[in-house]
Amino acid sequence: GAVVSQHPSWVICKSGTSVKIECRSLDFQATTMFWYRQFPKQSLMLMATSNEGSKATYEQGVEKDKFLINHASLTLSTLTVTSAHPEDSSFYICSAREQGDTGELFFGEGSRLTVL
Amino acid sequence: LAKTTQPISMDSYEGQEVNITCSHNNIATNDYITWYQQFPSQGPRFIIQGYKTKVTNEVASLFIPADRKSSTLSLPRVSLSDTAVYYCLVASSSGTASKLTFGTGTRLQVTL
Repeated sequence: GAVVSQHPSWVICKSGTSVKIECRSLDFQATTMFWYRQFPKQSLMLMATSNEGSKATYEQGVEKDKFLINHASLTLSTLTVTSAHPEDSSFYICSAREQGDTGELFFGEGSRLTVL
Repeated sequence: LAKTTQPISMDSYEGQEVNITCSHNNIATNDYITWYQQFPSQGPRFIIQGYKTKVTNEVASLFIPADRKSSTLSLPRVSLSDTAVYYCLVASSSGTASKLTFGTGTRLQVTL
């Protein structure tokens, strides 16, 4: 089946620095990718929809200047957490749909961010 | 987007059949139902998807009544490795790529 890969799988950074997380669709093209955030023992929260070649669509309450999303190609979307603070520490997960509107949604392995 | 309601948690013994029911009273005509499994510190994994009646694959069955206001994920003969969180999602097709919104999920604990 299709594979979505994230990198890095975990990262530790100092407060105030920026961190970039990559999401790649390895064997299919994805015009749209989704970024989720998950706190411990909580459900996934959709942060934004990443659209290839255009601006991302952010969910209500998600700061677009804080979480920069770039979807420059059909196989790569990046999420940059700018000026990270400890409260940004979380598990970030991306997903992509292989084709059409109802095709299976594949998720990456997730990236655990810890901000010191 | 249709909201889903699931039990927060369930317990089962190894070898038993587990049925997890999800309510989605506001499901729309174009909506389909998808179930995902998530282990700690991993991304969700697709289990099964359906629109109506019954769908079966190698790992689970999905039962959807005629009114489609609920669905039941059935896991036959669970094992310890089935301990995970199970999410029921109802997706609305928007003509472009539809987004999936996760509910609370059901935390299944399987013991010996």
